[in-house]
Amino acid sequence: DGGITQSPKYLFRKEGQNVTLSCEQNLNHDAMYWYRQDPGQGLRLIYYSQIVNDFQKGDIAEGYSVSREKKESFPLTVTSAQKNPTAFYLCASSTGQGWNQPQHFGDGTRLSIL
Amino acid sequence: QKEVEQNSGPLSVPEGAIASLNCTYSDRGSQSFFWYRQYSGKSPELIMSIYSNGDKEDGRFTAQLNKASQYVSLLIRDSQPSDSATYLCAGSTGFQKLVFGTGTRLLVSP
Repeated sequence: DGGITQSPKYLFRKEGQNVTLSCEQNLNHDAMYWYRQDPGQGLRLIYYSQIVNDFQKGDIAEGYSVSREKKESFPLTVTSAQKNPTAFYLCASSTGQGWNQPQHFGDGTRLSIL
Repeated sequence: QKEVEQNSGPLSVPEGAIASLNCTYSDRGSQSFFWYRQYSGKSPELIMSIYSNGDKEDGRFTAQLNKASQYVSLLIRDSQPSDSATYLCAGSTGFQKLVFGTGTRLLVSP
């Protein structure tokens, strides 16, 4: 089945540690996105990529890094510089063609501080 | 700053009633709008998209768009307890980017 797979479902970070969240899609989508959702809040864009080997900062990129070496994969690293990383992280993808394409989401990763 | 505004709710309706969810947006350049349903602890799921002024129906769901007034709405007919969730409105803001509202929590009581 086509879809977006995020792993792990739950992740715990120790002080000063970098952690990497995985996002893989087999939808052949060009565009991929990372969002952060805090309780009772909407989705805030961290990074997005419209094509392999290219990505752009979103609204809250500080303390995060990404790579896009393969079309299917868009991992997110939460660095130690991100002082408040506890949140629900959502990866999404879209075809990247035209202005009216929706984004589809993976199941998310919950990150907490130990 | 481009924004999408939603009443956080909760909006409470009895089973079988029509639930009406509203959203306003600030960016007149937004071309397309999407409604997502998010159950507690889960990821958003796309339920409707709308690009043109007027109504678009899909089963029990009707999306309405009024670009002159900059509002989008979602009507859910014959509401069921399983419709209880948070509904997120999103509008396009630039090529392939969306801005999301904070969501409206809907509670459908049996």
